[in-house]
Amino acid sequence: DAGVTQSPTHLIKTRGQQVTLRCSPKSGHDTVSWYQQALGQGPQFIFQYYEEEERQRGNFPDRFSGHQFPNYSSELNVNALLLGDSALYLCASSLGGEGEQFFGPGTRLTVL
Amino acid sequence: QKEVEQDPGPLSVPEGAIVSLNCTYSNSAFQYFMWYRQYSRKGPELLMYTYSSGNKEDGRFTAQVDKSSKYISLFIRDSQPSDSATYLCAMTGTGGSYIPTFGRGTSLIVHP
Repeated sequence: DAGVTQSPTHLIKTRGQQVTLRCSPKSGHDTVSWYQQALGQGPQFIFQYYEEEERQRGNFPDRFSGHQFPNYSSELNVNALLLGDSALYLCASSLGGEGEQFFGPGTRLTVL
Repeated sequence: QKEVEQDPGPLSVPEGAIVSLNCTYSNSAFQYFMWYRQYSRKGPELLMYTYSSGNKEDGRFTAQVDKSSKYISLFIRDSQPSDSATYLCAMTGTGGSYIPTFGRGTSLIVHP
């Protein structure tokens, strides 16, 4: 049984560009949450998707947007990249919003 | 002041030592307390989960919660080099939200 998978593993972008990160949840899970983990910091919640709708959102600007597909996979989009967006982006899946969250390995984004 | 405070370390101990990791928090509404382990270039994985105050033991790991002091601890007995990782505390349960608020993590190094 595959756990949470994320792609790509890492990527490098320049300021002002746009990026799309992808996540496939653990089999049987229907809820996907996205987190940003800056170097030396704990994960910060970006938003959570359930039934293709954004259910909760953390304190992140509108440049961060997402989508969930009928197969429960999800995308995170970041527009107008800033240097400060450089971080590890983690996807976590769960069964419902209250279930234990299982994290993927993350996508490391570097903005130059 | 951050909601969850955690000393980043690094904490370096010899193999076999008892390790004590701690977090303090400010939000008295937190009810669920978790410890995650994060190896380098990996996503966090849930180690221990405790509801309200008290102790919970799982093998070499013991989690303690003291809600009166807003202080939680994770003890690792007979530490092994394979325990070397970053340990993140997290807590949740405010206003029906199950989105965890993380500490910044403590880097633990267990040397042979």
